[in-house]
Amino acid sequence: QQQVKQSPQSLIVQKGGIPIINCAYENTAFDYFPWYQQFPGKGPALLIAIRPDVSEKKEGRFTISFNKSAKQFSLHIMDSQPGDSATYFCAASEGNQGGKLIFGQGTELSVKP
Amino acid sequence: DVKVTQSSRYLVKRTGEKVFLECVQDMDHENMFWYRQDPGLGLRLIYFSYDVKMKEKGDIPEGYSVSREKKERFSLILESASTNQTSMYLCASRPQGAPVVFFGQGTRLTVV
Repeated sequence: QQQVKQSPQSLIVQKGGIPIINCAYENTAFDYFPWYQQFPGKGPALLIAIRPDVSEKKEGRFTISFNKSAKQFSLHIMDSQPGDSATYFCAASEGNQGGKLIFGQGTELSVKP
Repeated sequence: DVKVTQSSRYLVKRTGEKVFLECVQDMDHENMFWYRQDPGLGLRLIYFSYDVKMKEKGDIPEGYSVSREKKERFSLILESASTNQTSMYLCASRPQGAPVVFFGQGTRLTVV
């Protein structure tokens, strides 16, 4: 049963645009929400992560917005570049389950020059 | 840097064959995971292990088994490969007490 729902499945933006990827979760015991970035032929790599005690986290051009009451979180990419073209996965985990990550379905982002 | 190494990038196997996917991590991590990745479905957890000789089923364990005889090595076994097991398989590891998961580069398995 899918516990983390991600949308959209694919996204095309122009260079400089701000793509937004959304995720929703069901399990209120989740306490860690990372985003992973995957380039073709590579394994996913951690991009940025947030805990539910904050509503926003920024690292460079990447921002996570977190809405605990709505059980939703999103990734914003400021001033997107063609090099940001990749597949993005949101995920969630619960501390007492050994940290196994439950992933969303993935979003394939294409940033056009 | 943490390194998670999967033994093969690409594999082609026949239906009914027994298939072994090997994964080694070099950072003494307690926890190791096997996921499969399919378009539109994201990454789904097959099995994970939090210690040597310990294993737990993930969300889609049917048709798979695992082995963890040494801390650094976690093997995924397809007892009798079927075409619906054609997929990208990702191994990952995580240290105890830290949430970050590190992935290998993946093995693309095709069962014909």
